Amino acid sequence: AQTVTQSQPEMSVQEAETVTLSCTYDTSESDYYLFWYKQPPSRQMILVIRQEAYKQQNATENRFSVNFQKAAKSFSLKISDSQLGDAAMYFCAYRRPNSGYALNFGKGTSLLVTP
Amino acid sequence: AAGVIQSPRHLIKEKRETATLKCYPIPRHDTVYWYQQGPGQDPQFLISFYEKMQSDKGSIPDRFSAQQFSDYHSELNMSSLELGDSALYFCASSSLNQPQHFGDGTRLSIL
Repeated sequence: AQTVTQSQPEMSVQEAETVTLSCTYDTSESDYYLFWYKQPPSRQMILVIRQEAYKQQNATENRFSVNFQKAAKSFSLKISDSQLGDAAMYFCAYRRPNSGYALNFGKGTSLLVTP
Repeated sequence: AAGVIQSPRHLIKEKRETATLKCYPIPRHDTVYWYQQGPGQDPQFLISFYEKMQSDKGSIPDRFSAQQFSDYHSELNMSSLELGDSALYFCASSSLNQPQHFGDGTRLSIL
């Protein structure tokens, strides 16, 4: 079974600064998908960014980017120019390649953004 | 854009009662997933359906069952409810290999 590890239970960043959230995973498969989801206090699950394992180029969505290191099985999320609205729980997730397969989530990192 | 619709948003039940949660996926999404998130926990996968057939199964108790109907909506049926079933239940939907999009969840409280 695939496991996802987020080693930082809590992180803090000042507004306008940059923060990196870590995620490692364990799998024997060569093809898979990785995701970062955000869960604000409202408890909604919001997709932040996704990465296909076969793509070497790191995904980017506005202020959010990833550092995907396939050999090291590492998938970190960088948030640039942090905003108060970025405060949330961030979950890293792994999914096998075919439709219908579940997301395996890490335990999450709680991000605090200070003014 | 249309999102995943879950009902009800909140549900209060007593031990040993039954509950039915409903999920209406995004139009043209053919796959539905159910997750359970306990307090302070990450979401745990329960079950998924692709084109109305079960496609994957996680840690779903035998007391729970689910199905996907011809209009692609899905229902999660929960019987003999226990205190430990109190959680936020998410439904998500997707199509092909696109990311899963989550509904706002149903908060189930067992008294």
